[in-house]
Amino acid sequence: SYELTQPPSVSVSPGQTASIACSGDNLGNKNVCWYHQKAGQSPVLVIYQDSRRPSWIPERFSGSNSGNTATLTISETQAMDEADYFCQAWDSDTVIFGGGTKLTVL
Amino acid sequence: HLQLQESGPGLVKPSETLSLTCTVSGGSITSSSYYWGWIRQAPGKGLEWIGSFIYGGRTYYNASLKSRLTKSVDTSKNQFSLNLRSVTAADTAVYYCARHNLGNQPGLDYWGQGILVAVSS
Repeated sequence: SYELTQPPSVSVSPGQTASIACSGDNLGNKNVCWYHQKAGQSPVLVIYQDSRRPSWIPERFSGSNSGNTATLTISETQAMDEADYFCQAWDSDTVIFGGGTKLTVL
Repeated sequence: HLQLQESGPGLVKPSETLSLTCTVSGGSITSSSYYWGWIRQAPGKGLEWIGSFIYGGRTYYNASLKSRLTKSVDTSKNQFSLNLRSVTAADTAVYYCARHNLGNQPGLDYWGQGILVAVSS
């Protein structure tokens, strides 16, 4: 079965750029979405179709996808961005989630 | 503004059936454009997709759960429901309903607040 792999954790200093990777076989051929989830809350879509932002997501969030790796980039990271981040794609009529990455802003 | 709300029992006994309902407001589940789905999250774990459907069209299920799943739709109440049979402690999770956005291989743009379901005797 298809798998999406994410690093368990990423740390970033406030104001710096955070990058979170998501890897999967030929992932660049799929549409990747990203979600963040703060403690006790529901997931929130932050990127869809690799790089598109919903209207409620600031421009600091961007995405890319090529080869076997999709990347979520958060520029000018703020304390409020601290959350778990999940990538997601479809494979063979199945929705697949990555294991999640805990972003720590310190 | 689209809103989704899960409802159901917070506790289910092992081997019984877990039944959850998602009530949608601000949009119609009979739209031919949007898929609707269920996702769960075991305590301290990641997200696990359960299944998605489009009204009048296809339904997709997680292969590992498919044999225990049934979905239904009540258009008069703008609700869709999930039945998961023969539950075990491994089915303890927060269960979310959500809407897929438009496009090919759509993501999930609107989520309910989630409901915690514990499986225990």
